Amino acid sequence: QQQVKQSPQSLIVQKGGISIINCAYENTAFDYFPWYQQFPGKGPALLIAIRPDVSEKKEGRFTISFNKSAKQFSLHIMDSQPGDSATYFCAARVSQSAGNKLTFGGGTRVLVKP
Amino acid sequence: GAGVSQSPRYKVAKRGQDVALRCDPISGHVSLFWYQQALGQGPEFLTYFQNEAQLDKSGLPSDRFFAERPEGSVSTLKIQRTQQEDSAVYLCASSSYRGSEAFFGQGTRLTVV
Repeated sequence: QQQVKQSPQSLIVQKGGISIINCAYENTAFDYFPWYQQFPGKGPALLIAIRPDVSEKKEGRFTISFNKSAKQFSLHIMDSQPGDSATYFCAARVSQSAGNKLTFGGGTRVLVKP
Repeated sequence: GAGVSQSPRYKVAKRGQDVALRCDPISGHVSLFWYQQALGQGPEFLTYFQNEAQLDKSGLPSDRFFAERPEGSVSTLKIQRTQQEDSAVYLCASSSYRGSEAFFGQGTRLTVV
């Protein structure tokens, strides 16, 4: 059972454009929603995260929007740059579970064209 | 060290061979996780350690997979009698305490031929 569904699988955006990645979850016990960025040959690195008590969080060019009632959250990358070309993963976690393991979406490969 | 270190970076194993993958977490990190990432997929949880105790092994796909962290620092993921479906990148992550940010290593790419 895929508990976190991510779309699109890939997207191409022009430099300066906006990249939008969407995720939907099923488990209402999830209470922490991070986004990870992964470059080829590297491990995932935390980009930005949100908890369900807020509807939006912004850090620089990266913004998470969260809709608790719809069980959806999204990542917006503003003013996309070629250096943003990477695979992005949404994830979710139940804070009270043993170890706080992460459940990941399937990933979105983003290509920013110069 | 500065980050989570995994070795080897690449491993090619013949089907049926046993392999051992090593993870050196960030010094002092209590929590350690193993994830499996198939090609083009998101990482999937395998197992979790708090110090030397393996508190969750619900993600291990079969009894051919075994993990240990005997002294609460370095961890080893062992796969016995490897199969082609075991081909994946195996990621290790550590965090300083339960619930804090997890830092990932670069992974070990296992190819079973």
